[in-house]
Amino acid sequence: QSVLTQPPSASGTPGQRVTISCSGSSSNIGSNYVYWYQQLPGTAPKLLIYRNNQRPSGVPDRFSGSKSGTSASLAISGLRSEDEADYYCAAWDDSLGGVVFGGGTKLTVL
Amino acid sequence: QVQVQESGPGLVKPSQTLSLTCTVSGGSISSGSYYWSWIRQPAEKGLEWIGRIYTSGSTNYNPSIKSRVTISVDTSKNQFSLELSSVTAADTAVYYCARDKAFSWFDPWGQGTLVTVSS
Repeated sequence: QSVLTQPPSASGTPGQRVTISCSGSSSNIGSNYVYWYQQLPGTAPKLLIYRNNQRPSGVPDRFSGSKSGTSASLAISGLRSEDEADYYCAAWDDSLGGVVFGGGTKLTVL
Repeated sequence: QVQVQESGPGLVKPSQTLSLTCTVSGGSISSGSYYWSWIRQPAEKGLEWIGRIYTSGSTNYNPSIKSRVTISVDTSKNQFSLELSSVTAADTAVYYCARDKAFSWFDPWGQGTLVTVSS
């Protein structure tokens, strides 16, 4: 049971916009930055969004992050087949004194 | 550009200690205000943060496995290491090391190394 809650799956067709939610609590998302990671099949995770809504260089602007209260979202617009991957949210948890991850969302491009 | 790479045995017997090393290249492990973390992922499951170390030696561990984990750093070798004691089959996973810029900001990641716990 993950501390951060994500839907196990999401899907969309090419060109569509999809969003992935990440729900937490006041001790994690509510008081700390949220990070998003993309894990393509058979590879290591890669930083996708940092500090709630910032994109590292090289990440397309089709990817965007937002946060409100104790929840966060990752949006992917103009969906492409290469976006098919697992997506994880993460945040520091002040109560646990460590990093917590969401359970991951498997994105399928139909 | 900093890169990190895990190394260590791929097979560990139950009740023994798992030991992995992460080698940092392309920069000094001591430069900048970075932590260095270990994260694991059982097959077909999600990510679990194990713990992190600052180059001063200060550590933070996941409370769920804190009693079995030790993370250390060797700045002379530009490496940091993970020891997980009393392993069971539940510790079988791909283990990743990563630079931790601040409170779950992991970048870059190593490619990961599979550790299987089996007799």
